[in-house]
Amino acid sequence: AQTVTQSQPEMSVQEAETVTLSCTYDTSESDYYLFWYKQPPSRQMILVIRQEAYKQQNATENRFSVNFQKAAKSFSLKISDSQLGDAAMYFCALNNAGNMLTFGGGTRLMVKP
Amino acid sequence: ETGVTQTPRHLVMGMTNKKSLKCEQHLGHNAMYWYKQSAKKPLELMFVYSLEERVENNSVPSRFSPECPNSSHLFLHLHTLQPEDSALYLCASSQDTFMNTEAFFGQGTRLTVV
Repeated sequence: AQTVTQSQPEMSVQEAETVTLSCTYDTSESDYYLFWYKQPPSRQMILVIRQEAYKQQNATENRFSVNFQKAAKSFSLKISDSQLGDAAMYFCALNNAGNMLTFGGGTRLMVKP
Repeated sequence: ETGVTQTPRHLVMGMTNKKSLKCEQHLGHNAMYWYKQSAKKPLELMFVYSLEERVENNSVPSRFSPECPNSSHLFLHLHTLQPEDSALYLCASSQDTFMNTEAFFGQGTRLTVV
């Protein structure tokens, strides 16, 4: 069985500042993908960023980047220059065969103006 | 139209009722999923369909019955539910079931069982 753990139920960041959301996971698979999804109040989950386990280079998408530490099974999300629209629930997810996502419990991010 | 559309957005039903949740995707995807999102619990995968065939049933009680009549539509039929089944039910679709494929989600149906 695989598990995903997000140890921070809530985080807060000042607008324009940087925040890091933590995620750890456990899997016996050697090949897998990791994702961060954002769920705003509209409830629709949106993909933020994805990382393949075999790639050593950390993924980056504009203001969003990850710190992937495979040996430590850690996959944190860094949001730079935080904006009010970044306020949402953020879910870390693990995916291997069959595209069946295993999600963490989520982190609620609040952005202060 | 949004990529994945779920109806209704909200549903209140009694424990003896029968209702259905509907999901429609306009993305030409071949795989569709039902997830359950309960308060204070991680999202749980319920069912997976690939090319209209069920490929995963994640130990879901029989009071939940999925139906996938074609690759664009997915239903979740509900009967004799329990109050603990109250949750947000999310539908998702993806191009295929490869592990790197992005899942696109609908806005969910907020179900309350009374």
